[in-house]
Amino acid sequence: NAGVTQTPKFQVLKTGQSMTLQCAQDMNHEYMSWYRQDPGMGLRLIHYSVGAGITDQGEVPNGYNVSRSTTEDFPLRLLSAAPSQTSVYFCASSRTPTTNQPQHFGDGTRLSIL
Amino acid sequence: SQKIEQNSEALNIQEGKTATLTCNYTNYSPAYLQWYRQDPGRGPVFLLLIRENEKEKRKERLKVTFDTTLKQSLFHITASQPADSATYLCALEPPYTSGTYKYIFGTGTRLKVLA
Repeated sequence: NAGVTQTPKFQVLKTGQSMTLQCAQDMNHEYMSWYRQDPGMGLRLIHYSVGAGITDQGEVPNGYNVSRSTTEDFPLRLLSAAPSQTSVYFCASSRTPTTNQPQHFGDGTRLSIL
Repeated sequence: SQKIEQNSEALNIQEGKTATLTCNYTNYSPAYLQWYRQDPGRGPVFLLLIRENEKEKRKERLKVTFDTTLKQSLFHITASQPADSATYLCALEPPYTSGTYKYIFGTGTRLKVLA
């Protein structure tokens, strides 16, 4: 019963490098989302998806791309990493998009951009 | 725009006392409000959901209230234990705009229960 799995757990990048953060869920959830968490800022929504092939922007989408080719996977891509993207990234999923459903979170990817 | 405010200062209480955390929101009343617990180095874990037509919801030692007039939710932990020490987050869904589902989280309140 894995739930939401994020890889890697830690990563250090140099400015300008690209990277994909992986997220997979095994609960057949429709809704998946990516957040970043910074001190004093709380969780901020980057992108979300309500099903395979359907994605939309959240509050802070610039510098990030997503795609959802399967129900299970929702990778987050950083095309050209910048120091401002140093953060902890969380992936979450829920059965449906509405807030009468709890969100299940992974344990995060801690990303440092030098 | 929709905003959630939680007390950013840490709350320290003695073991056995009741901890009360506050979540205030602006601009409108959501249909649902959720509370999560987050431990250091871990992702948030869902605790409770309360609907706008529910004044109060309980789960074991946890109690959540929802006052749509005050635009406020209170989260209570009774008979608190050191194991309850964590950061607690509230979350809600902004006014529905056709085809969008963007949730907002508060910054969280760090609770420390002293033995």
